[in-house]
Amino acid sequence: AQSVSQHNHHVILSEAASLELGCNYSYGGTVNLFWYVQYPGQHLQLLLKYFSGDPLVKGIKGFEAEFIKSKFSFNLRKPSVQWSDTAEYFCAVTLSGNTGKLIFGQGTTLQVKP
Amino acid sequence: NAGVTQTPKFQVLKTGQSMTLQCAQDMNHEYMSWYRQDPGMGLRLIHYSVGAGITDQGEVPNGYNVSRSTTEDFPLRLLSAAPSQTSVYFCASSGTGGNQPQHFGDGTRLSIL
Repeated sequence: AQSVSQHNHHVILSEAASLELGCNYSYGGTVNLFWYVQYPGQHLQLLLKYFSGDPLVKGIKGFEAEFIKSKFSFNLRKPSVQWSDTAEYFCAVTLSGNTGKLIFGQGTTLQVKP
Repeated sequence: NAGVTQTPKFQVLKTGQSMTLQCAQDMNHEYMSWYRQDPGMGLRLIHYSVGAGITDQGEVPNGYNVSRSTTEDFPLRLLSAAPSQTSVYFCASSGTGGNQPQHFGDGTRLSIL
């Protein structure tokens, strides 16, 4: 069965520090990759997505992610975090052509200290 | 510009009671899904639908029923609530094709006593 693994469950950073959250998936076929963010008390919002083309994708709020097919990875990065980035971050995968079945990682809670 | 609307936002049930969580979307999306969110487990897919009249099971379907009689609505039914179903439930919808992200509702926080 397909699965998504996020290595960091809880990350604490100071403002202006750089962020990298790991995400690996297990599926050998073509996939669509997403990062969602959930701010406290809110629903999930799309940060960025990868379907094809340039493996380095840029999203909202200065986030970016790199798809490395050989490593089955889709890590999320941000050069300089802000206190307002405190949230839970989810990596997710769908199999190409089927967007109704989104498989999520366990989530990473990011706490940014002012 | 409602997007995905879930009702109710909060609900407390007793073990054995039944209830229906409502989900409606106004974006004419074909795909709709239900997830439950539990601490440390991310979101897990309960049931999903690729169009009116078509539903399928996700990772954790036991104890839940769904139907899709219209494109807009995708209710989730708990037939006999159990404490293990205490969770936050999210409904999502997306358009067809491999490049359509899912849009999420605000969630329903459900407690089973």
